[in-house]
Amino acid sequence: KAGVTQTPRYLIKTRGQQVTLSCSPISGHRSVSWYQQTPGQGLQFLFEYFSETQRNKGNFPGRFSGRQFSNSRSEMNVSTLELGDSALYLCASSLFRAPNEKLFFGSGTQLSVL
Amino acid sequence: GNSVTQMEGPVTLSEEAFLTINCTYTATGYPSLFWYVQYPGEGLQLLLKATKADDKGSNKGFEATYRKETTSFHLEKGSVQVSDSAVYFCALSLDSNYQLIWGAGTKLIIKP
Repeated sequence: KAGVTQTPRYLIKTRGQQVTLSCSPISGHRSVSWYQQTPGQGLQFLFEYFSETQRNKGNFPGRFSGRQFSNSRSEMNVSTLELGDSALYLCASSLFRAPNEKLFFGSGTQLSVL
Repeated sequence: GNSVTQMEGPVTLSEEAFLTINCTYTATGYPSLFWYVQYPGEGLQLLLKATKADDKGSNKGFEATYRKETTSFHLEKGSVQVSDSAVYFCALSLDSNYQLIWGAGTKLIIKP
């Protein structure tokens, strides 16, 4: 069974641009969540989707948005990029939506904003 | 607010040494607790979890016990191997809010 797939693996953008990251969950998994990982702030929750609906959102500005499609694939978008958005963006999927559910993580998309 | 505090790294040990990585938490309600591990060049993987007080999670020789009285979930292993070198993250999630709240991570280096 294929794992969580994130594309692209690396991205380089300049300030002010926008970017879209993609995540394909494990087949059959309906919950997808996104995390930002930086050396300074560590891992921080961005948002969670289940059945095409955003169920939960972290403390990030409105420039960060996402969506989930009917096949459970998810995208996240960051508009008007800032230098501080440089980070590893991780996607995780799970079979069900529950607080003690095991999450399966992708390898991430490394975003560099110049 | 809800938070997780881990001991700072890096932690450097010799092979076959005993490992403890401390993790304490602050949470409203009754969280589920997790240890995730990130091996070099790989994605995060769940190592073990515990969902209620006094539960012990275990996997690959690692153990952690959910201690409500001390709000702790320390990770232990009796004899570490070089292959255990990785970054270890303690995390919690709440019934009211399914997001994971993470500790800062502890880098573990095992020398042969």
